Amino acid sequence: GQQLNQSPQSMFIQEGEDVSMNCTSSSIFNTWLWYKQDPGEGPVLLIALYKAGELTSNGRLTAQFGITRKDSFLNISASIPSDVGIYFCAGQRDFGNEKLTFGTGTRLTIIP
Amino acid sequence: GAVVSQHPSWVICKSGTSVKIECRSLDFQATTMFWYRQFPKQSLMLMATSNEGSKATYEQGVEKDKFLINHASLTLSTLTVTSAHPEDSSFYICSAAEGANQPQHFGDGTRLSIL
Repeated sequence: GQQLNQSPQSMFIQEGEDVSMNCTSSSIFNTWLWYKQDPGEGPVLLIALYKAGELTSNGRLTAQFGITRKDSFLNISASIPSDVGIYFCAGQRDFGNEKLTFGTGTRLTIIP
Repeated sequence: GAVVSQHPSWVICKSGTSVKIECRSLDFQATTMFWYRQFPKQSLMLMATSNEGSKATYEQGVEKDKFLINHASLTLSTLTVTSAHPEDSSFYICSAAEGANQPQHFGDGTRLSIL
C-alpha cells in the first residue's frame, strides 16, 4: 500500500532542543494528522489539520498543513524526555470515516 | 474524548489456531472502524475497513478469507485471524472516528505471536 515519505527517519537530540519533521506525498490529501506512538501501544493523536495553509498548535507542538496539500510539518519546541517515541504523519482524502495513509515514521531519541 | 479499546492486548498461540481480536468504541458509536497491521520498526498498514451491518472492504493483497471481519454492532468490530501461522505474527491495531468530521482514534493494539 501507499506510504507517505517522512523525514528524517530518526533524530537524536538533547533535551531542550527544538525538533522539526516533515511529511510529503505525491498526491493531495484534504486532512493531515500527526500521531505519536510509544512502544507496544497504539498511536495517539497530537494534531489534526483540515485546511490548506492551516497552522495549529497543541502546547509545545505546532503543525502546518502545506499550501499544496501534499505536505505537512510538525515542530516540537523545547523537547522533554517524554517526547521520545515515534511520530507518524497520516493523510486522509476526507474526514473521519475515510482510511488513513501513514508516513514512514520519525523516531525521536533524546540524548541525556 | 473518544476512546477505542482493544482486547486482548497480547496473544500467544500455536500455529493453526484461529484468534479473535475485539475492537470497541467505548463512549461513541462507530459505523466504520479500521484494522491496521504493524510489523516491527515499520509503519501502520491498513488491512481493511469494517462497516457496521455490511461486508468489510479489504485492501489489495489482504486475504479476506484469512482475516475475517465482523462489525455486528455500532460499538464492536472483531478481526479473526484464521489458521494463523508464524508469518501472521504482528501488532494489530484498530481505529474509529467519533463522527464524520472527527479524527480517528486508535486502540492500544494487540500483539499476536504465533509459535
